Formats: sequence, structure tokens, C-alpha cells
Amino acid sequence: EVQLVESGGGLVQPGGSLRLSCAASGFTFSTYWMSWVRQAPGKGLEWVANTKQDGTEKYYIDSVKGRFTISRDNAKTSLYLQMNSLRAEDTAVYYCASYYYDGSTGYTRGFDYWGQGTLVTVSS
Amino acid sequence: EIVMTQSPATLSVSPGERATLSCRASQSVSSNLAWYQQKPGQAPRLLIYGASTRATGIPARFSGSGSGTEFTLTISSLQSEDFAVYYCQQSNNWPPITFGQGTRLEIK
Repeated sequence: EVQLVESGGGLVQPGGSLRLSCAASGFTFSTYWMSWVRQAPGKGLEWVANTKQDGTEKYYIDSVKGRFTISRDNAKTSLYLQMNSLRAEDTAVYYCASYYYDGSTGYTRGFDYWGQGTLVTVSS
Repeated sequence: EIVMTQSPATLSVSPGERATLSCRASQSVSSNLAWYQQKPGQAPRLLIYGASTRATGIPARFSGSGSGTEFTLTISSLQSEDFAVYYCQQSNNWPPITFGQGTRLEIK
């Protein structure tokens, strides 16, 4: 059974930092791109960041560039999101998701597995 | 950035009837279009990828069609568990990967 379990969310003041973790099991983690997708309260889904299977390529939505860093540890089958200089508009549930993507062909199956999410609240 | 627009925002349908949800892309995304279902308090679930391929375990009453800029998700005979929010998502031209704003499917 595929499992993605996020942790690390919580309440943080504006300008603060937080590190999210996602523990993966039940699939071959090292063969998947991995992603963070967030959802502000009562709002829709927003892709945040992706990392390639070996971590050599990373992409971010413009609003978090320079503040967030996605990383992975394939030996620990874990995904991370380091969030610095947090703003009120970063308040959201953050989901870890696997993203099936073949860079050589462009073939994708979208986000096929999702964690249950972890809530990040940025407020003073 | 490719903008995804879903319509309608809310769709009211009776159980057993057909529901048709639309998604439009601001430029062609070929067939790199996925649909997700999200119920309150739950993570999204992948329903359809490649515009028309059902994900593992998804019932046959869910079907997707379209290519280029116009896409449709059809639920042929609504069951009580199908009432939820549905999102389309493109990954033909990324970053960024973009989602539509969602269609809320409610019981009539």
C-alpha cells in the first residue's frame, strides 16, 4: 500500500521558517518525481515545487522562489520542503504528492499518490 | 503560464443522473490533462490522466475526453459518493503546473 505521510506543519510568525517532511513507502520512491502542492483554507489547489528523481532538477512556483527549497533523500525515501521568510499568504495545507513524469518523452500521469496534508499557519 | 478555467463553478445534479464538467486551457496542453476528485477534509484523488485514461481503481462511470484546449469529465450515473469538488490540471507546459479553480458537484 502506498503511503505518503507529511509532518512538520504548525503555527509560525511572519518571517519565520518551517521544514516539512514527507515519509514515503509502498512504491519505488527513487523512480518518481516528487512534489509539494498546497491548498489555502477554502481555496483551490496550487502546485508549489517539484524535484526530479535524483534531485538534480528542481522547479518552483514564482511566489516561493528564493524562499522555499525542495529536497529529497532517496535512501530514506523522504521528501522535504524548507520554508523561509514565511508570509501570511503561505498559510495552507501542504500536500506531498508523487508526480509520474518521463522527461525524455513528456509523458505524465499527473499526481498519482497524495499524503493527507499538513497545515501551515503563518500568523502573529 | 497556462491558465485553466473550469465551468460551471457549481453543478447541481440528482443521483443517478449524468454530470458533465468542463475545463478550458488558455493554450493547447495536448492531452496532458488530469482530473482529480476532492472530498471535504481529504486529499485529492487522481481520477483521469492523459485526458481520457482512468487511474487505477476508478469506476467506469468516470470518463474524460478532449484535447488541445477543451476537456470534459463525465460521470455517467451519479452515486452519493461522487458529490465532491473536481479539479483539472495541466502539465504539458511547466513550470508552473497549473490547476483549474474547481467545480463543486452538489446534490440537487
